[in-house]
Amino acid sequence: AQTVTQSQPEMSVQEAETVTLSCTYDTSESDYYLFWYKQPPSRQMILVIRQEAYKQQNATENRFSVNFQKAAKSFSLKISDSQLGDAAMYFCAYSRTGGFKTIFGAGTRLFVKA
Amino acid sequence: ETGVTQTPRHLVMGMTNKKSLKCEQHLGHNAMYWYKQSAKKPLELMFVYSLEERVENNSVPSRFSPECPNSSHLFLHLHTLQPEDSALYLCASSQDLGYNEQFFGPGTRLTVL
Repeated sequence: AQTVTQSQPEMSVQEAETVTLSCTYDTSESDYYLFWYKQPPSRQMILVIRQEAYKQQNATENRFSVNFQKAAKSFSLKISDSQLGDAAMYFCAYSRTGGFKTIFGAGTRLFVKA
Repeated sequence: ETGVTQTPRHLVMGMTNKKSLKCEQHLGHNAMYWYKQSAKKPLELMFVYSLEERVENNSVPSRFSPECPNSSHLFLHLHTLQPEDSALYLCASSQDLGYNEQFFGPGTRLTVL
């Protein structure tokens, strides 16, 4: 069975600095998607970034980038130039290509200090 | 309204009550999902619908009863719940089952007394 593990329940970062959130997953599939979702306090969960497993190039979206290590089954999220609005719960998630079930990790709560 | 909406946003109910949660998506998606979010636990997938047909019932107790009358609306009917059912219930939608990006609603915070 597929699993997603986020080993950091909480992280904090100073405004304008860089932080990396960790995620590992377990699967026997070779074709899948990985996601980072952001859930701000009392607001809707939104997709931050997505990575297709067949792509070797790491995905980037403005200040957000990932370090995808397929062999190690690791998928970390780097947030550069952190802003107060980045404070949220971040969920790492896995979905098999063509599947409908997305497996979520337990989340990492990110605090941003002014 | 845009995106995915959920009503009510907050619900308090006794164990003998019957209530319903409503979800509506304005994105033209074909698939809809119910998740349960409890503190410090991963999101738990409860039900999946594709084109109004249930494709997944993830071992959810029968006191939760989903209904999908059309591809834009999804309900979760609740009856004789337990205090451990208190949680945030999230609805999500995606273009199709094969499209993996999901769009979430704001959730209903449910408290069972």
